[in-house]
Amino acid sequence: QITLKESGPTLVKPTQTLTLTCTFSGFSLSTSGVGVGWIRQPPGKALEWLALIYWDDDKRYSPSLKSRLTITKDTSKNQVVLTMTNMDPVDTATYYCAHRQKVRVRYYYYYYMDVWGKGTTVTVSS
Amino acid sequence: DIQMTQSPSSLSASVGDRVTITCRASQSISSYLNWYQQKPGKAPKLLIYAASSLQSGVPSRFSGSGSGTDFTLTISSLQPEDFATYYCQQSYSTLRETFGQGTKLEIK
Repeated sequence: QITLKESGPTLVKPTQTLTLTCTFSGFSLSTSGVGVGWIRQPPGKALEWLALIYWDDDKRYSPSLKSRLTITKDTSKNQVVLTMTNMDPVDTATYYCAHRQKVRVRYYYYYYMDVWGKGTTVTVSS
Repeated sequence: DIQMTQSPSSLSASVGDRVTITCRASQSISSYLNWYQQKPGKAPKLLIYAASSLQSGVPSRFSGSGSGTDFTLTISSLQPEDFATYYCQQSYSTLRETFGQGTKLEIK
């Protein structure tokens, strides 16, 4: 059974750096095709895809936030860490991590987030 | 950057109704389209992947169709537990796997 859990501060001040940790179980991030992604959701708004790290340490970032984001993994600890610099009140949101699956359907490979953590709420305020 | 546009943004329906939600991509994404359901205060739940494949454990009243730029999520007979917000997501561009803006399904 795959589970993921986000942890980190609930309150950060503007200009500070946010560090969030996703601790997971039930899969290995060294298995080919596997990834872990981060997604956020401001209050009352839509989901926003932030970043993704693959089993081979390939990393992807939202172009609009790329300069502020860093995603890393610690395979031995089963953790993925997301850092976001220069936090602003508009970054107030619930932050989710999710297991990214790769599956073959007919002749092609497809990708989706099949298991999500419960999310952690981060408020940016002085 | 691939933009995903859902319609309608909100929808009122009754238990037993057949409901269709549409998602349009700004460029062709083949069948790289996923659908998620989110209830208030909860994480999203995967319903459909690869445009039409039903995720394990999801009721068969949910179905997905489409390819290229136009996709639909259909709920054949609404149940009380289906009232939620639904999001589409493209996984064609792994540079950024964008979500739609969501469709809120409410009880009429």
